[in-house]
Amino acid sequence: SQTIHQWPATLVQPVGSPLSLECTVEGTSNPNLYWYRQAAGRGLQLLFYSVGIGQISSEVPQNLSASRPQDRQFILSSKKLLLSDSGFYLCAWNPDRGHEQFFGPGTRLTVL
Amino acid sequence: AQRVTQPEKLLSVFKGAPVELKCNYSYSGSPELFWYVQYSRQRLQLLLRHISRESIKGFTADLNKGETSFHLKKPFAQEEDSAMYYCALSTGTASKLTFGTGTRLQVTL
Repeated sequence: SQTIHQWPATLVQPVGSPLSLECTVEGTSNPNLYWYRQAAGRGLQLLFYSVGIGQISSEVPQNLSASRPQDRQFILSSKKLLLSDSGFYLCAWNPDRGHEQFFGPGTRLTVL
Repeated sequence: AQRVTQPEKLLSVFKGAPVELKCNYSYSGSPELFWYVQYSRQRLQLLLRHISRESIKGFTADLNKGETSFHLKKPFAQEEDSAMYYCALSTGTASKLTFGTGTRLQVTL
């Protein structure tokens, strides 16, 4: 069966430090992959999505970037974190268009 | 651009009372709508989708294109229904999801 992992589960980082959050999917191939952020008091906002290796689409301009170095690996990065980057980051996948998305457990990032 | 609106942040009902979680959307294309739920300490998961027209855990949702709504309903609330509910709109070839801000349902005795 398919599973999705995210790590770390929680992270506290100082302003200006780099960031790397990892998401991996098992049990499927060529999934669509997504990064969402949930800020306090707000809904989930789509940040990036990928339909294949090396293919990244950004939904909102921001301080973050994403990469997909392998078929089932999706990485969210920043060179210098801002306070406003704090939030709950969710990775998700779906096998194809029209299917539901399956979500990972999330990473809670606090930038101090 | 597409948008999903959930006007209530919190909905508190008594056990056995009817539940209606409101969702309105704005989208120029043909919408695919979903309800996702997050129970305490669990992952966000799909509750139901309008295409399947199913009743899941007693919940139903009907797409009303005239009113651009997709309200979630259940005739008799149960304690285990307490959770965060998100309405979502899927668009584009990559099935991107646009979420509402969510409604916390609290079912009390």
